[in-house]
Amino acid sequence: SSELTQDPAVSVALGQTVTITCQGDSLRSYYTTWYQQKPGQAPVLVIYGQNKRPSGIPDRFSGSSSRNTASLTITGAQAEDEADYYCYSRDSTGNQYVFGTGTKVTVL
Amino acid sequence: QVTLRESGPALVKPTQTLTVTCTFSGFSFTTTGMCVSWFRQPPGKALEWLALIDWDDDKYYRSSLKTRLTISKDTSKNQVVLTMTNMDPVDTATYYCARILRSAYDYHDYWGPGTLVTVSS
Repeated sequence: SSELTQDPAVSVALGQTVTITCQGDSLRSYYTTWYQQKPGQAPVLVIYGQNKRPSGIPDRFSGSSSRNTASLTITGAQAEDEADYYCYSRDSTGNQYVFGTGTKVTVL
Repeated sequence: QVTLRESGPALVKPTQTLTVTCTFSGFSFTTTGMCVSWFRQPPGKALEWLALIDWDDDKYYRSSLKTRLTISKDTSKNQVVLTMTNMDPVDTATYYCARILRSAYDYHDYWGPGTLVTVSS
């Protein structure tokens, strides 16, 4: 079973801000990565190293971390941000990669 | 331009062995730190990491599936192959491969589109 826990679903009004959280003991030791996944598509990297955006990812996506919790914030959510979001890191042993349970973001 | 693409059978029978191949371009295992992982995602469920092979041919496996998985690479062909033995209907999933260049940040940046494998008699 996954060692990273996320809320199953959140909703946000168009143009408003939403924060998704990911909790796990391994996050105290390892960087968190965030992926966006739309139906029928492969995951897309949106945040790595806790708070770094790859080129091409809008600056409305940001990441942060404190103790055993990592957060992904979408500031000014757009309709195209509606997707599943997964956090990802190493497990507590450091020998494997583990994903969060996923959060479905609905933009109203 | 980095690309990866998975290929393999769409349907396998229970107890059979699955072999999926990841063919990539735009990078090489001759680069120190280069690795490729396999992942899967059952329909409607979360992503799971399965295995990783690095430039030095070191291999790492998901502990719960370790006895069933084998990952290998062919550097000259730019391919990574994953085999999974004793397939079961619960192994029905989309299988993805992705690249990771080892760094402190430890993230997979480029992914293939995935290949759906259904296990059914």
